[in-house]
Amino acid sequence: ETGVTQTPRHLVMGMTNKKSLKCEQHLGHNAMYWYKQSAKKPLELMFVYSLEERVENNSVPSRFSPECPNSSHLFLHLHTLQPEDSALYLCASSLGPSNEQYFGPGTRLTVT
Amino acid sequence: RKEVEQDPGPFNVPEGATVAFNCTYSNSASQSFFWYRQDCRKEPKLLMSVYSSGNEDGRFTAQLNRASQYISLLIRDSKLSDSATYLCVVNEGSARQLTFGSGTQLTVLP
Repeated sequence: ETGVTQTPRHLVMGMTNKKSLKCEQHLGHNAMYWYKQSAKKPLELMFVYSLEERVENNSVPSRFSPECPNSSHLFLHLHTLQPEDSALYLCASSLGPSNEQYFGPGTRLTVT
Repeated sequence: RKEVEQDPGPFNVPEGATVAFNCTYSNSASQSFFWYRQDCRKEPKLLMSVYSSGNEDGRFTAQLNRASQYISLLIRDSKLSDSATYLCVVNEGSARQLTFGSGTQLTVLP
């Protein structure tokens, strides 16, 4: 048990839908992250939050919108996605930005 | 040049073999280093940190060479369950988040 949970685990959505991914960490960490991993591809860092402030946004399209209401919760709001956005979306947390990260199980997203 | 570079493999080795992976990093100011493993369709999991003096955890040995800017992972007596992708991870400075390599795929064959 990593202490990082993600819901839902699987999501199928149409291109016109709006959905949200949720991540919760129970580790008392101060930094949280969203990553995208397409099939057989390396991790792509999307967003970084440290102490609830966004510190990095790696040129992610605006159809992905993160929200970090407190240090334990992180959301990724999705709207008007494209089929190429189908991927595994992983949330991670760490004590600080330079510490080891612990990952949730991911949300496997399919955009139809 | 990529910040963290790994041989993608795949490495196919028989059970019981010893296998080693190297990873190079570009930033000489990098301060902390880790190895993660990722099973197919699962999340990455921390395997071990890498300390300056080298460290061992059972069949796994990690080493750091700051002069040549690489870290290594040695797996002895490979098991079928060691089949996974191994990710090299580097922190480039105290205020920077971790940078993940693309991973090296290992398959241990019966």
